[in-house]
Amino acid sequence: KAGVTQTPRYLIKTRGQQVTLSCSPISGHRSVSWYQQTPGQGLQFLFEYFSETQRNKGNFPGRFSGRQFSNSRSEMNVSTLELGDSALYLCASRWDPLGETQYFGPGTRLLVL
Amino acid sequence: DAKTTQPPSMDCAEGRAANLPCNHSTISGNEYVYWYRQIHSQGPQYIIHGLKNNETNEMASLIITEDRKSSTLILPHATLRDTAVYYCIVRVAGAGANSKLTFGKGITLSVRP
Repeated sequence: KAGVTQTPRYLIKTRGQQVTLSCSPISGHRSVSWYQQTPGQGLQFLFEYFSETQRNKGNFPGRFSGRQFSNSRSEMNVSTLELGDSALYLCASRWDPLGETQYFGPGTRLLVL
Repeated sequence: DAKTTQPPSMDCAEGRAANLPCNHSTISGNEYVYWYRQIHSQGPQYIIHGLKNNETNEMASLIITEDRKSSTLILPHATLRDTAVYYCIVRVAGAGANSKLTFGKGITLSVRP
């Protein structure tokens, strides 16, 4: 079974631009969570989607948004990029929100210049 | 979720067993012990989890003490590719589970030739 896939793997943007990242969960998984990882802050939870609905949200500004499609694929969007948004963005999937184990994708490395 | 304590680093020789300790003295009865690892700049990889019984899979073994206040992840025959940061996490699973995972600083395992 294929793992979680994320596209693109690497991205360079400039301040003020917006970016959309994509995540395809493991086949059959309906819950997708997004995380931001930086050396200083570690792994931080952004939000989780299940059945096209946001189920939980972390403490990030409204510039960070996401959505989930009927096939469980998910996208996250960051508008008005700031230098501090440079990070590894990780997607994790599981069968459903009560599922025991989350499986991570390889991540998208975003660099904001 | 209960807090965990791990030493910052350890090393072992290739081919030998790597025993990675974790303390979780405030663990609750419904909290599982999870282990993930992260190889540099890649997404975290799920390794194993357990509640109170010892667990083994193709990657590793998890030994949980009888009082559940500590555990040890065992990589039976470490290879250079096992060099990574290993995270021990304690969290509720199933009904009432929180979406987000919180990783501490983890333990950096260096496998030497």
